[in-house]
Amino acid sequence: NAGVTQTPKFRVLKTGQSMTLLCAQDMNHEYMYWYRQDPGMGLRLIHYSVGEGTTAKGEVPDGYNVSRLKKQNFLLGLESAAPSQTSVYFCASSYSSRGGIRDQQYFGPGTRLTVT
Amino acid sequence: GIQVEQSPPDLILQEGANSTLRCNFSDSVNNLQWFHQNPWGQLINLFYIPSGTKQNGRLSATTVATERYSLLYISSSQTTDSGVYFCAVLHNYGQNFVFGPGTRLSVLP
Repeated sequence: NAGVTQTPKFRVLKTGQSMTLLCAQDMNHEYMYWYRQDPGMGLRLIHYSVGEGTTAKGEVPDGYNVSRLKKQNFLLGLESAAPSQTSVYFCASSYSSRGGIRDQQYFGPGTRLTVT
Repeated sequence: GIQVEQSPPDLILQEGANSTLRCNFSDSVNNLQWFHQNPWGQLINLFYIPSGTKQNGRLSATTVATERYSLLYISSSQTTDSGVYFCAVLHNYGQNFVFGPGTRLSVLP
């Protein structure tokens, strides 16, 4: 089992460029999440998905779009990157989110994005 | 929304010392997890502990849900314990976790 993987690991973008971050999990988890972590801060939820074909907004969704076309993949898109989106992006997945050990989240290694 | 606070924000220990990290939350939760983010940025699950006490080696955690706090104990600390410790809670009726700001732990040799 690879667990949760993220592609790419590092990326530098110029302001206005677009890119897509890919998250893949091989644990058959229903729930997937995208977080961002800024220096000295905790993680903030961008978007999440409770199953294939569904997405929902988290705490800081502006400037991002997501898609969950396949159960194992969750894509995060930046259509027009801004310096404020410089951050480390983490993907996570879990079986559920309704209470119980199956809610336990497993994290990918992160993607470090710099927007100049 | 639910608020999550962690204390202390920073902690410096000598190797071998014990420590207690605290997580307070402002409303009922049905899930609480502790994570360790190592100096390389990797996030590692430590405990799933919505209530009660659990132990795993030198680490243990206690959550008192009725009083809305959780404690993470680290005994006989090692330099490899360094990093940031986060608690994350799932609010009742919520579908996503809210993370605390973290406690940065530095264990000196």
